[in-house]
Amino acid sequence: GQQVMQIPQYQHVQEGEDFTTYCNSSTTLSNIQWYKQRPGGHPVFLIQLVKSGEVKKQKRLTFQFGEAKKNSSLHITATQTTDVGTYFCAGRAGNTGKLIFGQGTTLQVKP
Amino acid sequence: DVKVTQSSRYLVKRTGEKVFLECVQDMDHENMFWYRQDPGLGLRLIYFSYDVKMKEKGDIPEGYSVSREKKERFSLILESASTNQTSMYLCASSLFFRSGQETQYFGPGTRLLVL
Repeated sequence: GQQVMQIPQYQHVQEGEDFTTYCNSSTTLSNIQWYKQRPGGHPVFLIQLVKSGEVKKQKRLTFQFGEAKKNSSLHITATQTTDVGTYFCAGRAGNTGKLIFGQGTTLQVKP
Repeated sequence: DVKVTQSSRYLVKRTGEKVFLECVQDMDHENMFWYRQDPGLGLRLIYFSYDVKMKEKGDIPEGYSVSREKKERFSLILESASTNQTSMYLCASSLFFRSGQETQYFGPGTRLLVL
């Protein structure tokens, strides 16, 4: 079946260091979304990418969608303690509202 | 603001009990979803519904059933709870996918412990 693999599973960084999480799909995706889940919280939508090669920025966060629409990345510049949480990518393949979620990357930031 | 509510934050049940988890959304969304979240496995889709009385199996439907009698309410049923169903259960809703607004809005989650 369709799979979305996300790496790394965990990442510990010193505050101020950069962080990147990668997402790879076994099939071409119609779009990809990114969510953030704070410790003890629920996933919250961050952004959606639709076009091949698309790059979007939200302050220190940069999101990319690959040319083949099978991979994506989230890069955080100069991490802060407020960035702590688990980041999920989720892709839609096909004509339903169903998303395939990656396993998530849990980010820990040491002050 | 979209609001998705779930009937309980924490639930403790015994093996073999029938368990009902309720989810209600207030934004007239067509799609509703039930996921379970386990460490290292991310979010796995159990069932989803794209309209009243319509349902489709997700990736792990075994041991679960669902009911959607009204647009705003989506129930997850564990017919006979087992210890391997101990997990965090998350409900989500979204607009119909052709709307272009496919954001999924999640409820706060129900942490279920089956003894």
